[in-house]
Amino acid sequence: KNQVEQSPQSLIILEGKNCTLQCNYTVSPFSNLRWYKQDTGRGPVSLTIMTFSENTKSNGRYTATLDADTKQSSLHITASQLSDSASYICVVTPNTGTASKLTFGTGTRLQVTL
Amino acid sequence: NAGVTQTPKFRILKIGQSMTLQCTQDMNHNYMYWYRQDPGMGLKLIYYSVGAGITDKGEVPNGYNVSRSTTEDFPLRLELAAPSQTSVYFCASSYESGGHGYTFGSGTRLTVV
Repeated sequence: KNQVEQSPQSLIILEGKNCTLQCNYTVSPFSNLRWYKQDTGRGPVSLTIMTFSENTKSNGRYTATLDADTKQSSLHITASQLSDSASYICVVTPNTGTASKLTFGTGTRLQVTL
Repeated sequence: NAGVTQTPKFRILKIGQSMTLQCTQDMNHNYMYWYRQDPGMGLKLIYYSVGAGITDKGEVPNGYNVSRSTTEDFPLRLELAAPSQTSVYFCASSYESGGHGYTFGSGTRLTVV
């Protein structure tokens, strides 16, 4: 069964600090891996999308990395801000090319405090 | 360009009641999806559609029905609400099957009591 596991489940950091969220997956072969940000009470919003051939993708202070050999991805947040408080979800699309087969991780809940 | 619009944002239903969750998109996307999100769980696919007139079951379709009469609209119907259907429901759309341009609505929080 295709799985996507994220760690940690939750994280609290001080404003201005950096943090790294992890995503391990078993989906293989896969087409792309995405990171979403989900604010409380809102729908997920795409941060990055990487194909299997890409190693890194940045979006402002967010940088995602991908190691297709070890089936691991990470999302690094630099100089965190209070507005970064949200859940971050890792999503993997299998290589069937069917968007209906997206596998979602359970997310990491990040809280940025003063 | 509103993206994906869901209504209502909140709803409380009694057991056995029925309701329709509305979803509309203005991006001319062919693919549309309904997900539910339960606490501590990843999003689960309920139904999806690859174009007007075509719908298919996802991972957790029991207790739900959908229709796709137009490209823009993809309503989700609950016929006999049960407490197990208490969840947050998200509609999404995408341009192609690979999911590029995947866009979510803001969600409907449904409580069945």
